[in-house]
Amino acid sequence: QKEVEQNSGPLSVPEGAIASLNCTYSDRGSQSFFWYRQYSGKSPELIMFIYSNGDKEDGRFTAQLNKASQYVSLLIRDSQPSDSATYLCAVNMGDSNYQLIWGAGTKLIIKP
Amino acid sequence: DAGVIQSPRHEVTEMGQEVTLRCKPISGHDYLFWYRQTMMRGLELLIYFNNNVPIDDSGMPEDRFSAKMPNASFSTLKIQPSEPRDSAVYFCASRRRGEDTQYFGPGTRLTVL
Repeated sequence: QKEVEQNSGPLSVPEGAIASLNCTYSDRGSQSFFWYRQYSGKSPELIMFIYSNGDKEDGRFTAQLNKASQYVSLLIRDSQPSDSATYLCAVNMGDSNYQLIWGAGTKLIIKP
Repeated sequence: DAGVIQSPRHEVTEMGQEVTLRCKPISGHDYLFWYRQTMMRGLELLIYFNNNVPIDDSGMPEDRFSAKMPNASFSTLKIQPSEPRDSAVYFCASRRRGEDTQYFGPGTRLTVL
């Protein structure tokens, strides 16, 4: 069974520090990888996606992909209290309909 | 452009009643997804459509759940009869053909008493 695993947390990080969120997936055929952020009581919103091995940066956010080790991570630099949310990892495992497999999410708390 | 629209935003009903949730996808999006989210089980895919045709309904929990997409701009998820364990937030999401980014609606918070 295709799976995406995340530590449920909560992960507590002091304001201004780097928050590191990790996700592992089971299928080596996976092709695209997504990080969604979900504030309490709100819907998931896309932060970043990554397709190729290596790093992808967007502002304070960096996604890292290592296909050989089957993990994807999200780094948040200069963490702000507004970054406190649940972060969902989603993986397209090569399905022709681009169906995503979702992790359970990691709750991140940024402490002022 | 308007995002995915869902209605109602909140629904409180009594066990045994029929519940209908509605979704309007983003214009031009070919795929529509219905998800359910609970604290215990996280985000679960219930069913998804491609060009109004149901592709995979293996996530629908039981026969009490049904979904339709009569046209490209409207879909419904119906629960009949509803049970307290159906209480959850139901999300609709859509995406464009050839892209795998999904865009979520605001969700419907369902409470079955």
